[in-house]
Amino acid sequence: SQKIEQNSEALNIQEGKTATLTCNYTNYSPAYLQWYRQDPGRGPVFLLLIRENEKEKRKERLKVTFDTTLKQSLFHITASQPADSATYLCALYRDSNYQLIWGAGTKLIIKP
Amino acid sequence: SAVISQKPSRDICQRGTSLTIQCQVDSQVTMMFWYRQQPGQSLTLIATANQGSEATYESGFVIDKFPISRPNLTFSTLTVSNMSPEDSSIYLCSVEQAYQETQYFGPGTRLLVL
Repeated sequence: SQKIEQNSEALNIQEGKTATLTCNYTNYSPAYLQWYRQDPGRGPVFLLLIRENEKEKRKERLKVTFDTTLKQSLFHITASQPADSATYLCALYRDSNYQLIWGAGTKLIIKP
Repeated sequence: SAVISQKPSRDICQRGTSLTIQCQVDSQVTMMFWYRQQPGQSLTLIATANQGSEATYESGFVIDKFPISRPNLTFSTLTVSNMSPEDSSIYLCSVEQAYQETQYFGPGTRLLVL
């Protein structure tokens, strides 16, 4: 079955630098992959979607890449700010009934 | 986008009792999902709530333990029955419109079972 791996250790980044988070999956390449942000005590919030035929997607300071050969997606935040501190979740489309398979998330801490 | 509210936001319950969680959406939506999230863990899908018919449960989750209702396109309930401390978790409702490929989440219900 499909498994998703995100770095379980918190990522500490200095303000202004680029933060890069990794999402690896083990099985088939999904039709699309999504990134969400989750703050403590809140539900996840959708950030970006990238399809299997897309290499890169950008939105303001966010960039996502999708490498189906490596079975990996990278999520970048440029010019990071303390307000970017949160847990970032990767989710893969399950190919049925609009369902997603979720990674455990990586906690990002941006230090001023 | 959709705005989703959940009630209660948190509760502390005794083992053996049941709790019903409500999910209300500000617009009609095609899909509604119920998830469970343990601290530091990924979201685990419990079931898809189907309007007008029985919910579709994921492996490891059964209707007797987690009965779900969805009487219309804007509302759903999840009941956690005969609770044990292992049911302590955050329960999240999410929605998705057909072909929009984006899920919107409620704020979650934090449940502690003693």
